[in-house]
Order: sequence, then structure tokens, then C-alpha cells
Amino acid sequence: DIQMTQSPSTLSASVGDRVTITCRASQSIGSWLAWYQQKPGKAPKLLIYKASTLESGVPSRFSGSGSGTEFTLTISSLQPDDFATYYCQQYNSYFGGGTKVEIK
Amino acid sequence: QVHLVQSGPEVKRPGASVKVSCRSSGSTFNTYYVHWVRQAPGQGLEWMGIITPSGGFTSYAQNFQGRVSVTRDTSTSTVYMELSSLRFEDTAIYFCATSTPEADKGAFDIWGQGTMVTVSS
Repeated sequence: DIQMTQSPSTLSASVGDRVTITCRASQSIGSWLAWYQQKPGKAPKLLIYKASTLESGVPSRFSGSGSGTEFTLTISSLQPDDFATYYCQQYNSYFGGGTKVEIK
Repeated sequence: QVHLVQSGPEVKRPGASVKVSCRSSGSTFNTYYVHWVRQAPGQGLEWMGIITPSGGFTSYAQNFQGRVSVTRDTSTSTVYMELSSLRFEDTAIYFCATSTPEADKGAFDIWGQGTMVTVSS
């Protein structure tokens, strides 16, 4: 199985900060990488698929990049609603361990 | 638009089995692959397995091989996940999820609300 590794596991940031989360795959997955946001007690919400395609309705401050084994999720200017946990996922299967974005 | 509704919370003894359902009122649900994902308290997301639209093929994560069974009743647009030989560490929220077929996103854009399964003696 392909292993997905996210870093950091926790990130402290302030409103307005630029935030970057990294996800690495143990072998190449092309562009088959998705990013989700999850808030406590809720199901995950799809933000980005195919590494860089923004899901409909997701604010443009979210962006994704990368291919092969290394991917990034960037939030250009962190908003109060963005404090949550973020997960990467390889094609329709395994997830990374998550990155919790906390208020600094 | 497919909307997924899961069955209610369960409390089970260690060693027992649990069967969680995921139903859709959407007419096209039987064309969707359906996945199961679980999340233990305070932990991350764990992919468990998938069933094809016809229900004829399933694939499971290695961690659950031999203990999980996903089935499908196309007549009622319902998918079931049964986990056997329950352990305390199976206490988790279990989600069904799917991906809009024609969009080819390779990701889950539709999720059920989650079902809490508690394993307790």
C-alpha cells in the first residue's frame, strides 16, 4: 500500500497568515491527490482534487500543487473559518495523518 | 443529487459484530462506487474499503481484511458495512462516502453524516 505522510501535524498561525501544508506519497501517484477540511463533529469537506483543481464553492484562497510524490496545500490568507484539520488523500483511498491548524 | 443517510449509533460488546447502513434517496445512487472511512476519537481518517455500483466487487484495506464486509442492496439503494470481532479500538465514527461518477475527481465529494460505534463491555 502507498503511505501518505503529512507535515506538520500541528500548525499555529494567525488570521491573515499564509499557510502551507505538505503531503508526501511513498511512491508516485501522479496527480491523484485530494485535500479535505474537517471540523469537529463533522464529515470531511472536499477542497481540492487532482492535486490542484478547486472544488466548486471553495474559496480561492485555497490552492493545491504538486505531482508524483510531493504535494502542497496553501491557504493564501488564513481566515477565522479556516481553523480546522486538513487531510490529504491518494486516489479514492488512503489518507495522510492530518494537519491541525490552530490559532496562534 | 445523491444524499447519503446513515443508520444510528450503536453500542456493542467486544467480539460482537456491527452492521452500519448507508442509504441514498437519489435515483442514480446505484451508479456510484461507495467507500467506508472511519475515525477513532481524536484520530485521523482511515479508509476501510470500497464496493462497486453493481455490488459485484469489493476491496478492503489490509488493516480490515477478514473482519469487514461491504454489501449492497440495489433494490433499496442501500450499502452496508459489517465489522466483526469488534475490539475496544474499533470505537469510532464510521462514514460512507462517494465520488460523483461523471466528474472523475478521484476523491469523495459526498459524505454520510457518520455513525458512532462504541465498543464497550
